[in-house]
Amino acid sequence: GESVGLHLPTLSVQEGDNSIINCAYSNSASDYFIWYKQESGKGPQFIIDIRSNMDKRQGQRVTVLLNKTVKHLSLQIAATQPGDSAVYFCAESPSGGYNKLIFGAGTRLAVHP
Amino acid sequence: SAVISQKPSRDICQRGTSLTIQCQVDSQVTMMFWYRQQPGQSLTLIATANQGSEATYESGFVIDKFPISRPNLTFSTLTVSNMSPEDSSIYLCSVGQGRWAPQHFGDGTRLSIL
Repeated sequence: GESVGLHLPTLSVQEGDNSIINCAYSNSASDYFIWYKQESGKGPQFIIDIRSNMDKRQGQRVTVLLNKTVKHLSLQIAATQPGDSAVYFCAESPSGGYNKLIFGAGTRLAVHP
Repeated sequence: SAVISQKPSRDICQRGTSLTIQCQVDSQVTMMFWYRQQPGQSLTLIATANQGSEATYESGFVIDKFPISRPNLTFSTLTVSNMSPEDSSIYLCSVGQGRWAPQHFGDGTRLSIL
């Protein structure tokens, strides 16, 4: 195996529960935010994104909330499944930095049956 | 989204040697990027690979250590030069298609230096 997420904070949830993963971003000028899921041995997989002119965006079983006042981003996963177990990263894109991404530290989500 | 292939998927190298990692995309893309993910940590941008010109490096990364090529809109290489154990990481290629489009990643190259 490999050590992705080995030293990251872990969120443990029961299958079927809702999960909330939080992220504090660093740059108040960032205007685009993305959540990624990374499974062992894989690259980050895009989940959902949001622009700074929005405070909420919903996808299939996932919702992203953006609070620009406190520079906080959250990812909500409804009815969490074992297949959701992975490391989750938020990423911010600074205004003017064309497509440049700055990644947060990451959170490991462990889903228990 | 684009299919991104990286080669090799993993390697074990001797210190002092260099390794070139390839990133191939199945369609033309505007932006290509190289990231490093050290063991148990998050991703850090090394550089933006610019087609037809020199790559743009982030603070802490230099061309002599991480030379990058991008000869066309579907291919890029990253070389890790004069490797030491501290270079043991996952190296990831990503592609971007616009200011408001997410980057998509390859599965990375897992590099161990002995």
